[in-house]
Amino acid sequence: DAMVIQNPRYQVTQFGKPVTLSCSQTLNHNVMYWYQQKSSQAPKLLFHYYDKDFNNEADTPDNFQSRRPNTSFCFLDIRSPGLGDAAMYLCATSRARDSYNEQFFGPGTRLTVL
Amino acid sequence: AQKVTQAQTEISVVEKEDVTLDCVYETRDTTYYLFWYKQPPSGELVFLIRRNSFDEQNEISGRYSWNFQKSTSSFNFTITASQVVDSAVYFCALSEAGAGKSTFGDGTTLTVKP
Repeated sequence: DAMVIQNPRYQVTQFGKPVTLSCSQTLNHNVMYWYQQKSSQAPKLLFHYYDKDFNNEADTPDNFQSRRPNTSFCFLDIRSPGLGDAAMYLCATSRARDSYNEQFFGPGTRLTVL
Repeated sequence: AQKVTQAQTEISVVEKEDVTLDCVYETRDTTYYLFWYKQPPSGELVFLIRRNSFDEQNEISGRYSWNFQKSTSSFNFTITASQVVDSAVYFCALSEAGAGKSTFGDGTTLTVKP
């Protein structure tokens, strides 16, 4: 089945130790999104790629970076995780940039910062 | 700026009861899209329905129905004869035309008790 895959499902890191979360998709969608979701809150968009075009949200901290080496893969790098970065990180895809298109979500990676 | 408000933080019902989840939105655009997503305990958001701003027809899909009213800027979701498997967090989302991204409400946690 075509899907959005996130690895690992659970990630534990230490305060200040860089961490990378990965996302892959078999849907061949042009758009990929990274969201941060804290407990009982809405998903908060960090950035998205339309093909290779990177779009950063204005309030996304510089501590968060992303790479999309090809259509299928997208990575979220947290350069120096703080305790406040502990959250669920959701990857999503969309067929095209048109706002009409729904998003397809992966299962998420739960990040713990010690 | 666009905004989505889901005033009901948590709802608890007994199985077979009907339940309505409220969603109120704000936008200055005349063309926009509204979505509902379901996030079960497993964590993966699943798309349920999309409605565009020019289509105010209500929709029914099995036990699910949606009531879109532009006059009150609302897009409410009703589950008829609720089941335990309906227990999840439900998010309403809004995308303005051309934005290529969605603004999510804070979600409503629905618990259906046997």
